[in-house]
Amino acid sequence: NAGVMQNPRHLVRRRGQEARLRCSPMKGHSHVYWYRQLPEEGLKFMVYLQKENIIDESGMPKERFSAEFPKEGPSILRIQQVVRGDSAAYFCASSSQRQETQYFGPGTRLLVL
Amino acid sequence: EDQVTQSPEALRLQEGESSSLNCSYTVSGLRGLFWYRQDPGKGPEFLFTLYSAGEEKEKERLKATLTKKESFLHITAPKPEDSATYLCAVLRTIKAAGNKLTFGGGTRVLVKP
Repeated sequence: NAGVMQNPRHLVRRRGQEARLRCSPMKGHSHVYWYRQLPEEGLKFMVYLQKENIIDESGMPKERFSAEFPKEGPSILRIQQVVRGDSAAYFCASSSQRQETQYFGPGTRLLVL
Repeated sequence: EDQVTQSPEALRLQEGESSSLNCSYTVSGLRGLFWYRQDPGKGPEFLFTLYSAGEEKEKERLKATLTKKESFLHITAPKPEDSATYLCAVLRTIKAAGNKLTFGGGTRVLVKP
């Protein structure tokens, strides 16, 4: 039973470019969450999605960041016009309809040059 | 606003030297408290969920307990492979809060042989 999958594992972008991070939840899970871990800081919630719906985006910056979880395919976290402060590890987690436990993927480490 | 504070920030133990990690929380209605383990460069790995004061969960050398204001993670006779950062997170009961986890800063544990 495959766990949460994220790709790419490492992503390097220059300032002003776009970053696209992908997350495939665990089999049978319909809830997806994105968290960010800045260097020397704790994990911070960004957004919570179910298929085709954004449920809670209270932790996501209002500008340049967007997230989607389409009917088919992985969830995407998109960062437009990246800046150096976006350099961080981005983790995706998933949970089932019935259980609240969130299972995390290996993360995508974004480095903005 | 939910607050989760973990102490100590770092802990150095000799192999076999038992110790406890603390997670104190302030939350408006606790739905669940979660413990995760995170190894360098990897995503958080789920350990335990605790739901009510007095509850205890065990797994190998780890035991988690919960009171109304804090949780403890006891490590009994640790081995070097127990070296990791241990994260505590809370989930609120209020539906409007969605399913976002609020994390503490973590405790970095190093077990020396």
